[in-house]
Amino acid sequence: KAGVTQTPRYLIKTRGQQVTLSCSPISGHRSVSWYQQTPGQGLQFLFEYFSETQRNKGNFPGRFSGRQFSNSRSEMNVSTLELGDSALYLCASSPRTSGSADTQYFGPGTRLTVL
Amino acid sequence: AQSVTQLDSHVSVSEGTPVLLRCNYSSSYSPSLFWYVQHPNKGLQLLLKYTSAATLVKGINGFEAEFKKSETSFHLTKPSAHMSDAAEFFCVVSSLSGSARQLTFGSGTQLTVLP
Repeated sequence: KAGVTQTPRYLIKTRGQQVTLSCSPISGHRSVSWYQQTPGQGLQFLFEYFSETQRNKGNFPGRFSGRQFSNSRSEMNVSTLELGDSALYLCASSPRTSGSADTQYFGPGTRLTVL
Repeated sequence: AQSVTQLDSHVSVSEGTPVLLRCNYSSSYSPSLFWYVQHPNKGLQLLLKYTSAATLVKGINGFEAEFKKSETSFHLTKPSAHMSDAAEFFCVVSSLSGSARQLTFGSGTQLTVLP
């Protein structure tokens, strides 16, 4: 099976712009989660989608949003970019959302740099 | 509420010597525990997971971890380090709160392997 793919891998934007990142989960996986990774804050949970519905949300401002399509692919959007949004954004998929023991499989990430 | 503490931010070992990466957790529920590894500019790869079966869990690349409930620990070990083990390692606790899965990541341990 193909792994989790994320596009683009690298992105450079300027403050005030918006950005959309894409994630394709492993075939058959219906849950997609997004994480932000920075040197200072480590890995922080953004949100989780399952069957096109947001099931869980982390403590991020409303500028961060996401959605999931019927084929389980997911996008996240960040509006009005700030310098502090520079980070590695990781997407992870798992078969379902209700199992604490379910493994999350991570993509390679999108490296976002905000200038 | 749950939390994860990785006791060492950096560990340095010589090639061929044992590796010990320490992780303590707290959780109000029966948690599942994971170790992930991240190589530079890559996503997270699952090393192993504990899901209330055997307390000694074997993972990929010769790593193993022992779940000790009395000590609330889940330390990662490997008998003999290899240069390719150099990476950042994350301990993760996962539990269910109602119907929502909660994942909490440790701050990471950077492993350096010296020749």
